[in-house]
Amino acid sequence: DVKVTQSSRYLVKRTGEKVFLECVQDMDHENMFWYRQDPGLGLRLIYFSYDVKMKEKGDIPEGYSVSREKKERFSLILESASTNQTSMYLCASSKGSAGELFFGEGSRLTVL
Amino acid sequence: ILNVEQSPQSLHVQEGDSTNFTCSFPSSNFYALHWYRWETAKSPEALFVMTLNGDEKKKGRISATLNTKEGYSYLYIKGSQPEDSATYLCAFLDSWGKLQFGAGTQVVVTP
Repeated sequence: DVKVTQSSRYLVKRTGEKVFLECVQDMDHENMFWYRQDPGLGLRLIYFSYDVKMKEKGDIPEGYSVSREKKERFSLILESASTNQTSMYLCASSKGSAGELFFGEGSRLTVL
Repeated sequence: ILNVEQSPQSLHVQEGDSTNFTCSFPSSNFYALHWYRWETAKSPEALFVMTLNGDEKKKGRISATLNTKEGYSYLYIKGSQPEDSATYLCAFLDSWGKLQFGAGTQVVVTP
């Protein structure tokens, strides 16, 4: 069964902490994505990557960075967490530019 | 501002009834339209990827149509069952490769 696995389902962090969200896929997909989902809004793209060591800014990259050192792993980093980064974070992967996305189960982050 | 709009935001359906809802998107620079189902506590799962104007796709009791010239897609659920309860997301892929999601339609099917 193909899988996208996110490291933590629920996290609680304090303002100013550094936060790592890890995502691993086992489908050998080139493309990986990080989205956040907030009530009343669509999934909003934070960063994406089309290849190892490659990253591109999405629609809302401010306050985030990413790392893709290996094809299967895409990490989202909050250098200094703030309360407005409290959200559900979803990782996804896809093969090809128009391919369907395969999602992880999401990481719900609360920043106090 | 969302360029992809879904309506209604939510709907309640009696078990056995059929229902449909809409996704509106820009009619220019179209490349593909995706539909996903997101059940509570699970990952969103792809239902359809549609690329051609007039496309109709079907998966069990769920089907979708696509009109790229006027910029809308309908998702239909025939004979709704409680397991159809989920949020249904559509996403518009433009010719520059950017996938934009709507806010979703939450469907609740009551027995």
